[in-house]
Parts: sequence; C-alpha cells; structure tokens
Amino acid sequence: DAGVTQSPTHLIKTRGQQVTLRCSPKSGHDTVSWYQQALGQGPQFIFQYYEEEERQRGNFPDRFSGHQFPNYSSELNVNALLLGDSALYLCASSAPVRGLVWETQYFGPGTRLLVL
Amino acid sequence: GENVEQHPSTLSVQEGDSAVIKCTYSDSASNYFPWYKQELGKGPQLIIDIRSNVGEKKDQRIAVTLNKTAKHFSLHITETQPEDSAVYFCAAFNTDKLIFGTGTRLQVFP
Repeated sequence: DAGVTQSPTHLIKTRGQQVTLRCSPKSGHDTVSWYQQALGQGPQFIFQYYEEEERQRGNFPDRFSGHQFPNYSSELNVNALLLGDSALYLCASSAPVRGLVWETQYFGPGTRLLVL
Repeated sequence: GENVEQHPSTLSVQEGDSAVIKCTYSDSASNYFPWYKQELGKGPQLIIDIRSNVGEKKDQRIAVTLNKTAKHFSLHITETQPEDSAVYFCAAFNTDKLIFGTGTRLQVFP
C-alpha cells in the first residue's frame, strides 16, 4: 500500500518565479492538506482540498494556490516566489470519519524548495 | 486561534532511559492530539495519537497522556534506543486543521 508521495523531492528557483508541487494521497484517502515547514520549525497549515474544492485555508497570501484532481491528487502553486518561501513543503492525506472530521493525517516526504 | 507550546526544545538521554516531552494548548475546543516523529530529510511520521475523551494511551514503549483541565499533553518514551533519535512534534486538531508545536530534538546516546 503506497503512502503519500510527493514530487519533486528538491527544487531550486529564483525570486519572482513560479513553482508547482505535486502530491498523491495514500490509498483510500480523498483529502489533501498542504503545510509549509521552515527550517527548525513545526509545519504551518496552508490549505486543504476535498472534493476538488479548497475547504480550509491558513494564514498564507493569495500567491499560494492549489488544485485537486478527480483522482484526489493535488498541486500546490506558488507565484512570485520570495526568499522567505524557501522551506520544506509537506502534503498530508486523510479521509473523513464520523461525518466530516479530518483528524488523522499522514504526511509525505516533502519537497524542499530553495529560492535564490 | 489555537497556540501549541512544546518543551523542551532539545533532550539528551542515555540509551535505556525514559524521555518525556510536554505540550500545552490554548483552545479547549481542540479535541485530537497526534504526535509525529521526523527524521532528517523525511516527512513527519505519526507515532501515536489521543482523543479528548481519553486520558492515556499506550503503544509498546510509547505512551501519551492528556489533561484536558490543564490543557496539557505529554509523550513518554521508555527504554529509549538510538533509533528513537529524531525531532518530535506535538499537534492539536482545531477548526479542521493541525496546529503544531515547535518540536523537540531528542538524542539518545548509546
């Protein structure tokens, strides 16, 4: 049973460029959440996708956007990259239980983004 | 919004000793508390979790306790081994998202 997969593993971009990161959820999961983890810190919630819609968003600017496909995979797009966007970007998948509660989340290995 | 504090930031123990990591949360509406282990270059791995209707949960050498009144929860690792060395994160589930602590770097010396 494949876990959460992410691509690419590493990425180097320059300021002002745009980047797209990809995530495939764990088998049987239909919900994808994205997190940003700066060096030495805990993950920070960016947004969550369910049924191809953004259903929850953290405190991130509109430069961060996403998409979910019918097969539940997801993309994270970041426009106009800043130096401060350098971080590990994590994808987590989950499945709603007891109605619509997305508690247990399983993380992928992440994509390390470096903005120069 | 919810805020999760985690202590200590670093913890060094001798192999075989116990390790305890403590977290506090601010919002009494939080109702699910997972713990993650993150090894270098990898994503966080869920190691144990507890829901607000339970006070304690154990899985082999790992246990988690929750004090809802005090808004505290703790991770206990017994008989530590060198492979337990990693960064551990606590989190609280609040308004449909996980709020993470700042992490504890655990080093287990042989």
